[in-house]
Amino acid sequence: GAVVSQHPSRVICKSGTSVKIECRSLDFQATTMFWYRQFPKQSLMLMATSNEGSKATYEQGVEKDKFLINHASLTLSTLTVTSAHPEDSSFYICSAEGLAGVLSRAYNEQFFGPGTRLTVL
Amino acid sequence: GQSLEQPSEVTAVEGAIVQINCTYQTSGFYGLSWYQQHDGGAPTFLSYNALDGLEETGRFSSFLSRSDSYGYLLLQELQMKDSASYFCAAYTDKLIFGTGTRLQVFP
Repeated sequence: GAVVSQHPSRVICKSGTSVKIECRSLDFQATTMFWYRQFPKQSLMLMATSNEGSKATYEQGVEKDKFLINHASLTLSTLTVTSAHPEDSSFYICSAEGLAGVLSRAYNEQFFGPGTRLTVL
Repeated sequence: GQSLEQPSEVTAVEGAIVQINCTYQTSGFYGLSWYQQHDGGAPTFLSYNALDGLEETGRFSSFLSRSDSYGYLLLQELQMKDSASYFCAAYTDKLIFGTGTRLQVFP
């Protein structure tokens, strides 16, 4: 149980285009999902917290108009990178928060998707 | 600010024991987790400490001292497949990842 999928796994696009990444919790409902970005040889940096049916909460320094997050259902959150530029090339990883005491081995454990490698030419 | 510091790199040979330290400075701390990440992959959960002390899971053990804001991951009987990056992560109102430690295991 507690499987999270991401699609696509890899995307290459031209500068100026928009890219949508989907994150799905396959066998559980997730009221909260998270989006992380990871540059090569660096740590995971939280971009935003996505709550079903409400606006996402963005971390300091993350442009909300550039990284659009929609969490329309309890199993799906999407991240759209608008007008992508080469500096947006990165590994984007989503996670979904499990129900404490039910799925979780830890306090509000997060289950991670396999990640999406974005390359902007 | 909130931060978790780890050594950047650790090397060891197969069969050895290695300890990866993590010192943290956070607010609203609930516990410390450890994740393993192979190149190109997603982080996978290894362990979690909510209370002080040692948690053992097979070859991996994790320790937490809240009073010292310190924890470590202990890997025993190292195998080549353990070569990966290891991250500590603090549970606050969100999950904050450490700087990461790249472990290289040599034959």
